[in-house]
Amino acid sequence: NAGVTQTPKFRVLKTGQSMTLLCAQDMNHEYMYWYRQDPGMGLRLIHYSVGEGTTAKGEVPDGYNVSRLKKQNFLLGLESAAPSQTSVYFCASFGQGNYGYTFGSGTRLTVV
Amino acid sequence: AQSVTQLGSHVSVSEGALVLLRCNYSSSVPPYLFWYVQYPNQGLQLLLKYTTGATLVKGINGFEAEFKKSETSFHLTKPSAHMSDAAEYFCAVSGGGTYKYIFGTGTRLKVLA
Repeated sequence: NAGVTQTPKFRVLKTGQSMTLLCAQDMNHEYMYWYRQDPGMGLRLIHYSVGEGTTAKGEVPDGYNVSRLKKQNFLLGLESAAPSQTSVYFCASFGQGNYGYTFGSGTRLTVV
Repeated sequence: AQSVTQLGSHVSVSEGALVLLRCNYSSSVPPYLFWYVQYPNQGLQLLLKYTTGATLVKGINGFEAEFKKSETSFHLTKPSAHMSDAAEYFCAVSGGGTYKYIFGTGTRLKVLA
């Protein structure tokens, strides 16, 4: 089915380790976003991309990096994981004319 | 700048009663407004959206919302709650060329038998 796929779905990291979360969409959408969801705080935008080769900072970008080398993929990297980065991460994509994000199913990350 | 305020982090209603979830927004540009629902351990699903035109918007599962510019509100309603409506609901605002969404902090709806 067409949509947004996030991998992995679950991950446990030790403090200081690095990892990359992958978001892939097959809808030819230009815009892609990474959010984190924490209890009582809703979803907060980490980074976003308005097209292949572009990235920009959102509300809470510190500690994260992103890349959009291919239009269909948006990678979120943690260079040195911290317990404060324990969260559920959602990727979303958007195509003009849709007026609504398509969300992935999320990645639950625990940093110990 | 844009922001969203959802009044009430937890709302309980009896099955069959009216559901009213409140959302107020702030936006310096004409807003697009959305309600999303999240069931436990799942992603977010679009319930309904307002872009332009008719201010009363109907969505899935019997939900609707009314855009009131004068009150900067976009409250979500459903005439009769079902047990299956128990979930967390998020209001979001967007505007401008990057289509970034700003989400509220969410309202968890509990439906009592």
